[in-house]
Amino acid sequence: NAGVTQTPKFQVLKTGQSMTLQCAQDMNHEYMSWYRQDPGMGLRLIHYSVGAGITDQGEVPNGYNVSRSTTEDFPLRLLSAAPSQTSVYFCASSWDRGSYGYTFGSGTRLTVV
Amino acid sequence: QQQVKQSPQSLIVQKGGISIINCAYENTAFDYFPWYQQFPGKGPALLIAIRPDVSEKKEGRFTISFNKSAKQFSLHIMDSQPGDSATYFCAASRGRGSTLGRLYFGRGTQLTVWP
Repeated sequence: NAGVTQTPKFQVLKTGQSMTLQCAQDMNHEYMSWYRQDPGMGLRLIHYSVGAGITDQGEVPNGYNVSRSTTEDFPLRLLSAAPSQTSVYFCASSWDRGSYGYTFGSGTRLTVV
Repeated sequence: QQQVKQSPQSLIVQKGGISIINCAYENTAFDYFPWYQQFPGKGPALLIAIRPDVSEKKEGRFTISFNKSAKQFSLHIMDSQPGDSATYFCAASRGRGSTLGRLYFGRGTQLTVWP
């Protein structure tokens, strides 16, 4: 039982490049979300999904895209990377919408140069 | 607008002392208040949570105190240990409505417990 798996753990991108951050969970959780963590800013919600085929925007969605074709996977796409997207990204999942027991992945540290 | 305000930003406590972190919120629709603990290089992990129908919840050395009228809640760590050194986040969410399940986080408190 791996929980929430994020890949890669580290990534360096050049400005303008695109990439996909992967997130997979094996707990059959319906609710999945992406957060970014910046010093002094806490965790800010980028996008979230309440089930396969259903996604919605969070607080800071600009420059990011998501899709949810299966219950297990929730990839985050950076369309055209910018230095302002340098951050640590966390994927999280929960078995229901009531926020019981969110499980976080170990994060992806992204640097855009 | 920040939904959950957390203080202090950093906290240094001597081993064996009590660590206290405070959070405040405005939205009275919030009905779930968790605390997360994060060690360097790791993702946040759920530590303890409370619902507004109780004023206090205790799990081992960790206690949440909740004041519904003041819209404040706090985390108390009794007999603080060096292994408690981490970043702590408070959060809040609502159990109904269009934002069902969304967690709003405070900005975090970096706790250092020195021997």
